[in-house]
Amino acid sequence: GESVGLHLPTLSVQEGDNSIINCAYSNSASDYFIWYKQESGKGPQFIIDIRSNMDKRQGQRVTVLLNKTVKHLSLQIAATQPGDSAVYFCAENPYTGFQKLVFGTGTRLLVSP
Amino acid sequence: DAGVIQSPRHEVTEMGQEVTLRCKPISGHDYLFWYRQTMMQGLELLVYFNNKAVMDDSGMPKDRFSAKMPNASFSTLKIQPSEPRDSAVYFCASSLPGASTDTQYFGPGTRLTVL
Repeated sequence: GESVGLHLPTLSVQEGDNSIINCAYSNSASDYFIWYKQESGKGPQFIIDIRSNMDKRQGQRVTVLLNKTVKHLSLQIAATQPGDSAVYFCAENPYTGFQKLVFGTGTRLLVSP
Repeated sequence: DAGVIQSPRHEVTEMGQEVTLRCKPISGHDYLFWYRQTMMQGLELLVYFNNKAVMDDSGMPKDRFSAKMPNASFSTLKIQPSEPRDSAVYFCASSLPGASTDTQYFGPGTRLTVL
């Protein structure tokens, strides 16, 4: 069945470092991917998204890379700050024409000052 | 815009009681989603609406859960009777899909504890 999984459950970095959070997806039909950030006690917050006709998209300090060949998605955070500490989820939409997202299990990012 | 609004933020109830969770989507959004988040299962989609009509409720235990959207600015998720295994954080999200994005915007969640 469809699933979205993460390689690393916890990532610890130093403030100022670049962070890379990885995600593997299993459904080659997925045409939309999205990254969310969830801080403790809050709902998931949109970070960045990408459609399958792109392989890279940049936002403010964040970049999402999509490799459809190996079904891999990554989130790069430049100059990581303590405020970036949170759980990050990737999600995919494998259902063409429907608005259903399949979420990964999440990666916890810990940023040390 | 105030974002997605959910109430209550916290709910503690006893097994067997009825629980009603409420959601107000972002104005103009025509999709509304109810999710449940637990440590074991992660984020699970329970049900979603498009223009107030249920599009998919395959993730919702229909023997005890029911979801309604009587108008474009209000939805409820009801659990009757509640059970301890229903303890979780319930999120509501809304979206206005377009050519470039299917982003769903989440509310702050309702933490439900069933004793």
